[in-house]
Amino acid sequence: KQEVTQIPAALSVPEGENLVLNCSFTDSAIYNLQWFRQDPGKGLTSLLLIQSSQREQTSGRLNASLDKSSGRSTLYIAASQPGDSATYLCAVTLFSGGYNKLIFGAGTRLAVHP
Amino acid sequence: DAGVIQSPRHEVTEMGQEVTLRCKPISGHNSLFWYRQTMMRGLELLIYFNNNVPIDDSGMPEDRFSAKMPNASFSTLKIQPSEPRDSAVYFCASSSRDSKETQYFGPGTRLLVL
Repeated sequence: KQEVTQIPAALSVPEGENLVLNCSFTDSAIYNLQWFRQDPGKGLTSLLLIQSSQREQTSGRLNASLDKSSGRSTLYIAASQPGDSATYLCAVTLFSGGYNKLIFGAGTRLAVHP
Repeated sequence: DAGVIQSPRHEVTEMGQEVTLRCKPISGHNSLFWYRQTMMRGLELLIYFNNNVPIDDSGMPEDRFSAKMPNASFSTLKIQPSEPRDSAVYFCASSSRDSKETQYFGPGTRLLVL
């Protein structure tokens, strides 16, 4: 059974700091991996999607890496800002039962203070 | 594009009452997912529809839960009778092959069963 673990569960940093969020998964037979952002009381927004054949994806100040063989992904946020405060969820996609199924981690709750 | 629309956004009901949650997927998307999010269990897939047909309902917790998709633009998740342990945020998401199967999430319905 695929399990997705995110460390740390919560993180509080001062503005401007570079930070790394970690995600690990137990089954390397994934189709892709996504990082989502969730703001309080809101839905999820996809930030980055890494296909299983890729090693990393970048969008602005965000960079996500994927190491399928070790079952790990990291989300790097450069020069953090208070507006980055949110919960970040990692999810792997498995091809299971004839369709692509998302398995989510529990998330990392990030607070960036001025 | 209005995105995935869910209603109501908040629902407070008493134990034993019937609850109906509604979802309108993004136009042109042929896959629809219902998720439940709680502090204890995180995000869990309840049911997946493709082309209006339920493909995987293995995540539906018990017979009190039912879901329908009568057409491509509307789905319902019904709980009857509701129990306090059903209190959670329920998300609907949609996707299509054209979007590389990224799932787009609605804002969620926050359900409280007293």
